[in-house]
This record gives sequence, structure tokens and C-alpha cells, in this order.
Amino acid sequence: AQSVTQLDSQVPVFEEAPVELRCNYSSSVSVYLFWYVQYPNQGLQLLLKYLSGSTLVKGINGFEAEFNKSQTSFHLRKPSVHISDTAEYFCAVSDRETSYDKVIFGPGTSLSVIP
Amino acid sequence: EAEVAQSPRYKITEKSQAVAFWCDPISGHATLYWYRQILGQGPELLVQFQDESVVDDSQLPKDRFSAERLKGVDSTLKIQPAELGDSAMYLCASSPGTVDTQYFGPGTRLTVL
Repeated sequence: AQSVTQLDSQVPVFEEAPVELRCNYSSSVSVYLFWYVQYPNQGLQLLLKYLSGSTLVKGINGFEAEFNKSQTSFHLRKPSVHISDTAEYFCAVSDRETSYDKVIFGPGTSLSVIP
Repeated sequence: EAEVAQSPRYKITEKSQAVAFWCDPISGHATLYWYRQILGQGPELLVQFQDESVVDDSQLPKDRFSAERLKGVDSTLKIQPAELGDSAMYLCASSPGTVDTQYFGPGTRLTVL
């Protein structure tokens, strides 16, 4: 069964500093990978997704993620964070074995940007 | 921009009462999802519809939860009777098809007293 691990439950970082949010998944088959963001008191929205092709994926708001099949990882990065990036970030995985796109979400990482 | 609508936004109820949540997906989206999100955790899929058919309800507590999507458009999630452990955020999402971006509604925050 597939699962998602986000080792860092909370990540504080100073404004304009770089950040990396880690995500590892467990699956025996090929996968689709996603990062969603949840701003305070809002619903989740997609940051970026990997379906196939280039392992470096660029998303909205300057975020990018790299798919590493050998390490089963999909870490999220941003070179310079802003106050407005303060939010909860969820990594998610969907395997290609099901006929529908069941998505499993990780527990989330709370990013706090410090002025 | 089209959005997923959910109502109510907040619901407070006493245990053993019945509650119902409503979701209106983005027009034309075939897939509809109901998730439960406990504070500090990621969303957990309760039920997934493809049009009006259930494709996954493996994590839905069927003794007390039910979901329907009549005519393949809007959907209702019901809990009867509610228990203290049901307190959570209930999220609805929709997507145009399989392996596609999910668009989430604002959620319904349920508090069971």
C-alpha cells in the first residue's frame, strides 16, 4: 500500500531564505506526485504535480520539486520565501495501478516565514 | 473562476444527532471526492465518485456515514449518529477526470459536543 512521509511537521525559516520541504513515499509501482498548499482558513490548492517526463517540476509562486525515483522522494524547494508563503504544505501520491486516481496525502508540513 | 461550493461552513451538533453536508463541484467535473481532515493531519479520503458511481469508499465508516451523488452533479455526505470523534474538517474536491488536479472547496468544520 502506498504511503507518504513528511518528516518535518514544522519548518520555521526567515524571510528571503531558501527552504526545502521533504517528502518521501512508499509505493511498489510507478506514481504520480503532487504538492498542495493550504493557506490559513482556505481550502487546498495545487502547487505542482509530476505525471511523467522531466523530473524537475516547476509550480506556482516560485516553487519547484524534483522527483527522485531511486530515493522515492519528491522534495519541494523555493530559493527565497516570502511572508505570504506561510501555510500548510501537503505532499500527495497516486499510484498508476488503480483505474481511478486515488490520492494519498501526507500529514503536512507547517511552514512559518519569520520577518 | 469557478469554485467548489460547500455548505454549511461550520456545524456544531450534539453526539447522536444527524448531520449533513452539501457539495457543489465545478461544472463539468466528473470526479468528486469527500475527505476528512483532522487537525494537524492530511486529508483522508472518505469516498470518491466518478459521475454518480462510487469508485472508492473503503475508508467510509458505513455504519454511520453515507454519501450520494444523484445525477452525477452535487453531493451530500451524512453522518447519523454523530460521535465525538467525528469532529473534523470535511473537505469536498472535484476534478475533470482521472489523474488530474483536484479543486477543493473551503470545507465544513464539524464540532460534535
